[in-house]
Amino acid sequence: DVKVTQSSRYLVKRTGEKVFLECVQDMDHENMFWYRQDPGLGLRLIYFSYDVKMKEKGDIPEGYSVSREKKERFSLILESASTNQTSMYLCASSVQRGYTFGSGTRLTVV
Amino acid sequence: QKEVEQDPGPLSVPEGAIVSLNCTYSNSAFQYFMWYRQYSRKGPELLMYTYSSGNKEDGRFTAQVDKSSKYISLFIRDSQPSDSATYLCAMRLYGGATNKLIFGTGTLLAVQP
Repeated sequence: DVKVTQSSRYLVKRTGEKVFLECVQDMDHENMFWYRQDPGLGLRLIYFSYDVKMKEKGDIPEGYSVSREKKERFSLILESASTNQTSMYLCASSVQRGYTFGSGTRLTVV
Repeated sequence: QKEVEQDPGPLSVPEGAIVSLNCTYSNSAFQYFMWYRQYSRKGPELLMYTYSSGNKEDGRFTAQVDKSSKYISLFIRDSQPSDSATYLCAMRLYGGATNKLIFGTGTLLAVQP
């Protein structure tokens, strides 16, 4: 069965910490995405990547960066975590049809 | 104005009811339309996938696209408590290397036993 795996389900971090969220897919997909999901705001695209070492900004990239050194792995980095980055983070990968999502990482920044 | 509008609900129905979930959109260039189901504390999963206008049926679920009205619907027949979830519509343009989807904000559905 195809899978997108996010390394942590729940994370609690302190303001100012550097945070790494990891995502791995086993489907050999070229396209990978990072979203955050907040009540009333829905899914908002942070960054996406359509190939190794390629990245594109989404709608809300400020305060985030990404890394894609291998096709199967797409990492989201919060350079200096802030309380307004408390959210559910969802990774997804795709080919032509819709996305396959991971289970999400609920990040709390205190 | 958002590209995709979706009533957030919550929508509460009795078991066995027919449920209608809807989205409107503004970009007439959208060609692919999807519905995702998201259970609490889980990632969204693809439920229905359609191309252009028309209907598509899969078991108790029917997806309908009306491109002339820029309106899509998801119907659930004989709704079950296990259908209780948030339903997100999504759509994208034809082609494009990144297949970037635009999502609605989701409708929370509760099916009461």
